[in-house]
Amino acid sequence: IAGITQAPTSQILAAGRRMTLRCTQDMRHNAMYWYRQDLGLGLRLIHYSNTAGTTGKGEVPDGYSVSRANTDDFPLTLASAVPSQTSVYFCASSAGERTEAFFGQGTRLTVV
Amino acid sequence: GQNIDQPTEMTATEGAIVQINCTYQTSGFNGLFWYQQHAGEAPTFLSYNVLDGLEEKGRFSSFLSRSKGYSYLLLKELQMKDSASYLCAVTEGDYKLSFGAGTTVTVRA
Repeated sequence: IAGITQAPTSQILAAGRRMTLRCTQDMRHNAMYWYRQDLGLGLRLIHYSNTAGTTGKGEVPDGYSVSRANTDDFPLTLASAVPSQTSVYFCASSAGERTEAFFGQGTRLTVV
Repeated sequence: GQNIDQPTEMTATEGAIVQINCTYQTSGFNGLFWYQQHAGEAPTFLSYNVLDGLEEKGRFSSFLSRSKGYSYLLLKELQMKDSASYLCAVTEGDYKLSFGAGTTVTVRA
């Protein structure tokens, strides 16, 4: 079934550790996004990419990095995790600016 | 940058109509989306507006006024399953898609 897949589903991480959240889509979408969702704050854009090889900063990029080596994959890396990065992370993709975004099922990350 | 505002919570009775407003201020504009998100799940697409006016899709309708930076989502004939968060989102150009904080709608019997 075509779609967008995130891994892991959930993770407990010690502060200071490095962590990569994986996101893969098989819809050949140009655009991909990473959001974090915290209670009362909605979805906040971390980083995005409008095509392979290009990335952009969103609203809350500090402490996170991304890469877009190919169309399908868009990993999000926390170089040194801190407790404030405890959140639910959603990856999404879309074919274009005027088309709907499809979301993965989310990664629940707890930094302790 | 962007500023997207919507009410935090709304409550309505089963069978009634609810209107969720969204105002936005963005540096660019390529369209406005509405998404639905049930608790513990991923957001799913409801509607898209890029031109002024009303788009109707079954029980759900979405309106846009670009000159006023304003949109609303209208939910008619409310059902219990409509209890969810409703997210307003704007594309600013360069594929940047930003969301408001969401409106939690509770439908009561």
